[in-house]
Amino acid sequence: GAGVSQSPSNKVTEKGKDVELRCDPISGHTALYWYRQRLGQGLEFLIYFQGNSAPDKSGLPSDRFSAERTGESVSTLTIQRTQQEDSAVYLCASSLQEGQPQHFGDGTRLSIL
Amino acid sequence: KNEVEQSPQNLTAQEGEFITINCSYSVGISALHWLQQHPGGGIVSLFMLSSGKKKHGRLIATINIQEKHSSLHITASHPRDSAVYICAVNRNGNKLVFGAGTILRVKS
Repeated sequence: GAGVSQSPSNKVTEKGKDVELRCDPISGHTALYWYRQRLGQGLEFLIYFQGNSAPDKSGLPSDRFSAERTGESVSTLTIQRTQQEDSAVYLCASSLQEGQPQHFGDGTRLSIL
Repeated sequence: KNEVEQSPQNLTAQEGEFITINCSYSVGISALHWLQQHPGGGIVSLFMLSSGKKKHGRLIATINIQEKHSSLHITASHPRDSAVYICAVNRNGNKLVFGAGTILRVKS
């Protein structure tokens, strides 16, 4: 498709399990971003990729969170040993280059029971 | 104090009214973004600006770098404009810092 694609769209899992969230950016976009939006709260920056490198990981809330990007394309955000406070919508965005407008995916709604 | 402050938090308008949403920020930035988030959650980038004014259809965004302030205007508002409008700023490279959003409801 032409837009940023995220999967799954919804994920329900038990506390303590690991989850992987996937983002397929727009083809050719070199920059990729992950954000989180908890219920009733604003968006929070998690991590940013330029190519396959992550110059800014400052937003990752704990060492249970990690992300990688391969082939300057797909990115996965992994949350280990999930906690209830991890419940949120996780949004991915991409931009053609650094400093360009960002295009957002529809997000993955993660619910931790 | 948040680095990005938006006002108002909630806004209800009648169809056809002129709407203004304000954003103030306290840090140096390289660019400011206005985003629209619909009830289903999808986010659309409306504007990215670093100076002056931009216009797209009924939407106008302005920024005053010296005053660290931006406004988003909607002319001839319509119920389909109902959404959350989010101001975000680029600082320290590509990291975006977000305002809390303004919930807009336009009644017919």
